Amino acid sequence: GAGVSQSPSNKVTEKGKDVELRCDPISGHTALYWYRQSLGQGLEFLIYFQGNSAPDKSGLPSDRFSAERTGGSVSTLTIQRTQQEDSAVYLCASSLALGSADTQYFGPGTRLTVL
Amino acid sequence: SQQGEEDPQALSIQEGENATMNCSYKTSINNLQWYRQNSGRGLVHLILIRSNEREKHSGRLRVTLDTSKKSSSLLITASRAADTASYFCATLSSGTYKYIFGTGTRLKVLA
Repeated sequence: GAGVSQSPSNKVTEKGKDVELRCDPISGHTALYWYRQSLGQGLEFLIYFQGNSAPDKSGLPSDRFSAERTGGSVSTLTIQRTQQEDSAVYLCASSLALGSADTQYFGPGTRLTVL
Repeated sequence: SQQGEEDPQALSIQEGENATMNCSYKTSINNLQWYRQNSGRGLVHLILIRSNEREKHSGRLRVTLDTSKKSSSLLITASRAADTASYFCATLSSGTYKYIFGTGTRLKVLA
């Protein structure tokens, strides 16, 4: 596609429910990143993928968070048993490769609200 | 925790003036990038400067990097109302692919 897309754009859920957030990277981009941005704050790194592999999961806030990527393309971020502190905008980005000079292209984000 | 810290947190200037914002970081880096975020257009990459570079220009943007002080600055010249946005620095530490974003500077350009 022309850019990184994310769905849904908005998600309101009740505390304790599970949610799945989806990211479609730019076609041909092998690297994919997930970030979280709380209101008025900077971005918090969550996880990155090189192809379907996530070598470093240390940025995930808790074991309720998991992410996968299949076919080297679409990625899903899953949050189990959501808590109110999970409320944030979740941003996905992709880049051509996992390199120090590659620009990240960001999607519009999914705004998650946990009631 | 966030490595980068932007300064100032907020900046308000008149159209046509220059805007300078600073970023400090803590560890050795491969590169430092600046991003702009506004409500209408999401997060957009502005410029990347490598650790072995000291200055870089792109249009009205000028970025400097001082690795000895672990700091960078972004200068926007001849600002426009459309430059109103939040600006973030992001660093890529040596030996990792985890980008660390700063807390951002909120720039408001008054017409």
